[in-house]
Amino acid sequence: DAKTTQPNSMESNEEEPVHLPCNHSTISGTDYIHWYRQLPSQGPEYVIHGLTSNVNNRMASLAIAEDRKSSTLILHRATLRDAAVYYCIHQSSGGGADGLTFGKGTHLIIQP
Amino acid sequence: ETGVTQSPTHLIKTRGQQVTLRCSSQSGHNTVSWYQQALGQGPQFIFQYYREEENGRGNFPPRFSGLQFPNYSSELNVNALELDDSALYLCASSLDQGPLVDTQYFGPGTRLTVL
Repeated sequence: DAKTTQPNSMESNEEEPVHLPCNHSTISGTDYIHWYRQLPSQGPEYVIHGLTSNVNNRMASLAIAEDRKSSTLILHRATLRDAAVYYCIHQSSGGGADGLTFGKGTHLIIQP
Repeated sequence: ETGVTQSPTHLIKTRGQQVTLRCSSQSGHNTVSWYQQALGQGPQFIFQYYREEENGRGNFPPRFSGLQFPNYSSELNVNALELDDSALYLCASSLDQGPLVDTQYFGPGTRLTVL
């Protein structure tokens, strides 16, 4: 199974940037890196994904290390609504019908 | 465009019973995946259906089965319920290529309690 390592929890202040780290030292060349988040009492929500290059979308930015063994999800200006569990996932895109393998994720706490 | 919906929201069953959980995917999404999420854990992949055929399965026994229908609805059936089956059950739909490439859209889940 693909495996990632994330801190159990992180705390940040509202309106400040948040950098959520993820280590994925066993990643292979074809594995996408996905980030999902799960707000309280909701299903997971897609945040962003990438393969090699850094990626930006309206929710966040994904910075991928050159050796791809780690990545960082960046929330540029955290709001209270960003308090959630953030999951970093990597998995082979070998065409198999495998679901995403979630770990325990990082519980992000936002202080007002 | 409507989101992914699931029913019921909550369900209580007793050990040994059977249960059917329902999911309505986003229109046009040919792939649906089901996940089990125990309290305090991340979701665990049960299986995936593509165009009404199961095409991938996680480490779950055969008493977990499913169906996908042409109208973008699907079902998860669990027979011979055990106490450890108590969890949040999530369905997720994606366009065509599955969760490794396509964005997955999750429903809010069904909370199953087995007594």
